[in-house]
Amino acid sequence: EVQLVESGGGLVQPGRSMKLSCAASGFTFNNYDMAWVCQAPKKGLEWVATISYDGSSTYYRDSVKGRFTISRDNAKSTLYLQMDSLRSEDTATYYCARTHRYKDFDYWGQGVMVTVSS
Amino acid sequence: DIQVTQSPSSLLASLGERVTITCQTSQSISNNLNWYQQKPGQAPMLLIYYATSLQTGMPSRFSGQYSGRSFTLTITSLEPEDIANYFCLQHYSAPRTFGGGTKLELK
Repeated sequence: EVQLVESGGGLVQPGRSMKLSCAASGFTFNNYDMAWVCQAPKKGLEWVATISYDGSSTYYRDSVKGRFTISRDNAKSTLYLQMDSLRSEDTATYYCARTHRYKDFDYWGQGVMVTVSS
Repeated sequence: DIQVTQSPSSLLASLGERVTITCQTSQSISNNLNWYQQKPGQAPMLLIYYATSLQTGMPSRFSGQYSGRSFTLTITSLEPEDIANYFCLQHYSAPRTFGGGTKLELK
């Protein structure tokens, strides 16, 4: 059974950093691109970043470029999102999602909440 | 970016009723659209991919259709376990963009 479990969220002050993790199981992690998607309170979902199966390529939405870093450790089957210079508008639930070659985001984690506030 | 307009944003329906949710894209995306179901506190679940293909394990009362830039998710006969939020995703081009979601509630 495919499982994606996010961790590392919480309350953080503006300008500070936070690192999210997503532990994957039930599939061959290094065969899949992975992504982070977020949903701010009362707002719709937004794609945040994607990393290729081997970590060689990364892609970001404009609003997080230069502040967020997506990475992965295939030996640990874990996806990461390093979030620096956090802003109040980064407050959201963050989901990790497996990217299937044809079905795109086919499995998601349950999400982890990040609140940026002083 | 491709805009995805989902309607309605909320929907009241009775058990056994036929339910339809629509996503309209700002440009042609062929059939590159998925539908998801999300219950509170749970991970989103893929229902339909490539606009019309039912994900393995999902009930056959869920179906998807499309015509041009308009995509529909239909539940043929609403069951209690279908009460959830539904959203669509276009995966034709980057950045991926989502519909605003539909909250389906019991009448």
